Amino acid sequence: GQQVMQIPQYQHVQEGEDFTTYCNSSTTLSNIQWYKQRPGGHPVFLIQLVKSGEVKKQKRLTFQFGEAKKNSSLHITATQTTDVGTYFCAGLINAGNNRKLIWGLGTSLAVNP
Amino acid sequence: GAGVSQTPSNKVTEKGKYVELRCDPISGHTALYWYRQSLGQGPEFLIYFQGTGAADDSGLPNDRFFAVRPEGSVSTLKIQRTERGDSAVYLCASSLAGGSPYEQYFGPGTRLTVT
Repeated sequence: GQQVMQIPQYQHVQEGEDFTTYCNSSTTLSNIQWYKQRPGGHPVFLIQLVKSGEVKKQKRLTFQFGEAKKNSSLHITATQTTDVGTYFCAGLINAGNNRKLIWGLGTSLAVNP
Repeated sequence: GAGVSQTPSNKVTEKGKYVELRCDPISGHTALYWYRQSLGQGPEFLIYFQGTGAADDSGLPNDRFFAVRPEGSVSTLKIQRTERGDSAVYLCASSLAGGSPYEQYFGPGTRLTVT
């Protein structure tokens, strides 16, 4: 079936180090969305990528969408303790008459001060 | 403005009982989604409404689960004959339109515990 895989599952970093999470789909995606969920909270939308090879930046966060629209990455430069949480990618897939958002399992980021 | 709200925030019920979970989406959002999330897992899609109709209910695990959205705004997720495996956080999300690349706004969730 259609799957979106995320790696790594967990990542511990020292504050100030960089962090990257990768998202890979078995199917070409119409677009990809990234969400952040703080511990005890609910997913909050970060960004959406639509075009092949697209790169978007939000302050210290850089999001990329692969040329084949099957993979994506989120890179955080110089992590801070406020970056702690689980980062989910969710890919939009055309499934017949339906367009379905398939979620990855997330990457949990812990930042040591 | 007001975000997505869900009630109750916590629900503890005994195995075999019936529960209803309510979701109030953002005003004007035509698409509404139900997910459930277990600890350490990503959101698991259950059902998606476009207006009053269920456009995709392929994620409902079995016929004990049912959801309605009679007037195209508030939605209720109903679980019959609850089982311990139903324990999870049930998340509701809404977006401006469904089947389109619109961001989803999530509610705080209802934590369901089946004892």
